[in-house]
Amino acid sequence: RKEVEQDPGPFNVPEGATVAFNCTYSNSASQSFFWYRQDCRKEPKLLMSVYSSGNEDGRFTAQLNRASQYISLLIRDSKLSDSATYLCAVSRRGTNAGKSTFGDGTTLTVKP
Amino acid sequence: NAGVTQTPKFQVLKTGQSMTLQCAQDMNHNSMYWYRQDPGMGLRLIYYSASEGTTDKGEVPNGYNVSRLNKREFSLRLESAAPSQTSVYFCASSLDRGGSPLHFGNGTRLTVT
Repeated sequence: RKEVEQDPGPFNVPEGATVAFNCTYSNSASQSFFWYRQDCRKEPKLLMSVYSSGNEDGRFTAQLNRASQYISLLIRDSKLSDSATYLCAVSRRGTNAGKSTFGDGTTLTVKP
Repeated sequence: NAGVTQTPKFQVLKTGQSMTLQCAQDMNHNSMYWYRQDPGMGLRLIYYSASEGTTDKGEVPNGYNVSRLNKREFSLRLESAAPSQTSVYFCASSLDRGGSPLHFGNGTRLTVT
């Protein structure tokens, strides 16, 4: 089993739709959680960190469920420009602290 | 502010050739990383450097070596390239090893024939 797993999609949604992605992690020592956005053939860019209490940034909401070991990303009122691959990442405590493990990504296509 | 700069952007090698990928960051970050990304896959960690003077293996270190030249620079060397090393390579940095987010370079697209 991979340490970080995501539904690869693709998710094809119309503009204005709400879409949610989940990401599960297997190591309970995971400490920090992130969502990155990657456009085709470009580098990943941080979309948002995920905090224990959940956090929101405009149309984007991230949640953490430590008990079930998953993080989620909710995108409301989808725009064409949201089309991209979304990568979740986790990093953990201990000797391997700091280095992030990534999921394989979920592809989102928003259509007119 | 350049952030993380990688060179070259593209490279074609023949099997057995060697090359070094260069990476530099100007954000005064302590930790640096090299990832590879294959089509349809996520990022896999090759090597990382938690702080200047230290390097550690990641998930897929075989066939690679690294040097943390100073706080700014972290290079990745392929001693004898193989077709299986055809990939996109990303360098990244983070403020510290305490779980800060990563900042990525633009990537190097390497083809080994």
